[in-house]
Amino acid sequence: GENVEQHPSTLSVQEGDSAVIKCTYSDSASNYFPWYKQELGKGPQLIIDIRSNVGEKKDQRIAVTLNKTAKHFSLHITETQPEDSAVYFCAGSQGSARQLTFGSGTQLTVLP
Amino acid sequence: NAGVTQTPKFQVLKTGQSMTLQCAQDMNHEYMSWYRQDPGMGLRLIHYSVGAGITDQGEVPNGYNVSRSTTEDFPLRLLSAAPSQTSVYFCASSYRGLAGGQPYEQYFGPGTRLTVT
Repeated sequence: GENVEQHPSTLSVQEGDSAVIKCTYSDSASNYFPWYKQELGKGPQLIIDIRSNVGEKKDQRIAVTLNKTAKHFSLHITETQPEDSAVYFCAGSQGSARQLTFGSGTQLTVLP
Repeated sequence: NAGVTQTPKFQVLKTGQSMTLQCAQDMNHEYMSWYRQDPGMGLRLIHYSVGAGITDQGEVPNGYNVSRSTTEDFPLRLLSAAPSQTSVYFCASSYRGLAGGQPYEQYFGPGTRLTVT
């Protein structure tokens, strides 16, 4: 089955700096990669996703890049703000399948 | 819309007790699933359902049962709780199929924190 590894497990950045979280996956058949943000005491919420036929996708301060050959994808957050502080999860799945395999999560702290 | 709701928010069980975690959604989503979240391990899929009357196992199904009699509800049953089932449980739902070539967004509930002593 799929295995998704996520690094780092914790990340602290100064407000206004950029943050990068990286994930690798094992199953070359995986072609859908969402990123979730989880605030304390809440369920995960989708913030951006990418399919394997796309190399990069942006949504305002958030971007995701995918290297299908190397089987890794990354989340980039620019101009970080204190409200970006949360746990971020990457995940992978195949096509229309909803069976997501999650990474272990990254605790992002944005220091004011 | 209330979205995905889960009850209870917190529960403490003794080893061997049984209970049902409730999950409901009012978005008419065909797909529903249960995950457990343990520290340092992300979320792992327990069971899922692609529609009423259809369920299947995920990555960690042992010790859990599910049924899907209606589109709205997808309860998770622990028949004989064990300390290893101490975790936070999340229910999620989405439409089936693809939208613009990629899966519809999965919506997660707020979670149930379960402790088994």
